[in-house]
Amino acid sequence: SQTIHQWPATLVQPVGSPLSLECTVEGTSNPNLYWYRQAAGRGLQLLFYSVGIGQISSEVPQNLSASRPQDRQFILSSKKLLLSDSGFYLCACAGAGPNSPLHFGNGTRLTVT
Amino acid sequence: GNSVTQMEGPVTLSEEAFLTINCTYTATGYPSLFWYVQYPGEGLQLLLKATKADDKGSNKGFEATYRKETTSFHLEKGSVQVSDSAVYFCALRYQGGSEKLVFGKGTKLTVNP
Repeated sequence: SQTIHQWPATLVQPVGSPLSLECTVEGTSNPNLYWYRQAAGRGLQLLFYSVGIGQISSEVPQNLSASRPQDRQFILSSKKLLLSDSGFYLCACAGAGPNSPLHFGNGTRLTVT
Repeated sequence: GNSVTQMEGPVTLSEEAFLTINCTYTATGYPSLFWYVQYPGEGLQLLLKATKADDKGSNKGFEATYRKETTSFHLEKGSVQVSDSAVYFCALRYQGGSEKLVFGKGTKLTVNP
């Protein structure tokens, strides 16, 4: 079964600084990859998903971007963080088709100060 | 559009009580349905799933039945434990969509000894 590695586990960054969160997947090939954000006490918001290398779909317009340079690597970035970017960021992977569940990493807790 | 509605929380129960968390969905076609659990400070774990009408998903004493006629997927457990305290998310994934998982807003469960 697949294993999802996310790092770092926690991060404190000042407003205006850049961001790079990395996610790598083991145990599967050509997965769909996702970035979700969970604000404190709230539900899950899909930020980006990718069905293949170099293919990125954005769900919300904001100052975040995503890239997929390799089949099992998914990166979330920002050039300048905002206070509103604070939250819990979750990477997930899944096989194609609706019957395949998403499997999540352990998340990164980002605090922008 | 496709959406998931969960009962508002929080839910507080005593140990060994019966649990029901309601979930209803709106979807075109025939989605697959999932329940996820999130323990404090962790990512989401798949709890159970059902991929077609009348399927029953089960795991760790939890059950949910895919009811097409009522568009529901209620989560139940006969006797909850303190260790079941967590946030529970209902979700759907649908054919022909954008490969993403649509989540409910989550229901926080607290079980007291």
